Amino acid sequence: SQQGEEDPQALSIQEGENATMNCSYKTSINNLQWYRQNSGRGLVHLILIRSNEREKHSGRLRVTLDTSKKSSSLLITASRAADTASYFCATDASDYKLSFGAGTTVTVRA
Amino acid sequence: EPEVTQTPSHQVTQMGQEVILRCVPISNHLYFYWYRQILGQKVEFLVSFYNNEISEKSEIFDDQFSVERPDGSNFTLKIRSTKLEDSAMYFCASTGLAGEQYFGPGTRLTVT
Repeated sequence: SQQGEEDPQALSIQEGENATMNCSYKTSINNLQWYRQNSGRGLVHLILIRSNEREKHSGRLRVTLDTSKKSSSLLITASRAADTASYFCATDASDYKLSFGAGTTVTVRA
Repeated sequence: EPEVTQTPSHQVTQMGQEVILRCVPISNHLYFYWYRQILGQKVEFLVSFYNNEISEKSEIFDDQFSVERPDGSNFTLKIRSTKLEDSAMYFCASTGLAGEQYFGPGTRLTVT
């Protein structure tokens, strides 16, 4: 399987701190996408990074991709209470079919 | 901003009944998908649809499942005879040429 696997499973931080989570996968990919899911809700697309890209930014989000290590990281800077959610990486190996990891649950304490 | 929509938001059905979950993908997207997420578990791929036919399906997508694009806007998932284990959140998604896959808000299916 080439599913992404996130690490850590859970993360608790103080508002204003940075949150970093990692994703590892097993096979070659076309791209890797990060999603946020609030409890019981839908998946919100955060960012897509292609296999030939190493870093991408979107607002307070920074994503890196290391294809030699088959890993990616998502950094959320200056976290807010509203960032409390589960974060998933999803890998696209072919035909845009996504394989999801189990997610990292982030709790931002006020 | 365009978005994927799904109806209903919650469907309760009895075991053995047929259900149809509906989705309206983003209008200029070409690839459509169904995924499901059993409570507390990973999001799992069910099926992908392109050019009016199934392009790939998972082991979960057995003969009880079917998909259809009955017109230019809707994309449906039918479960012919629901089982208790079909209870899950079902997500529709669509992808444009850029590869970003956008998900709908989901339909929570409860089979009793």
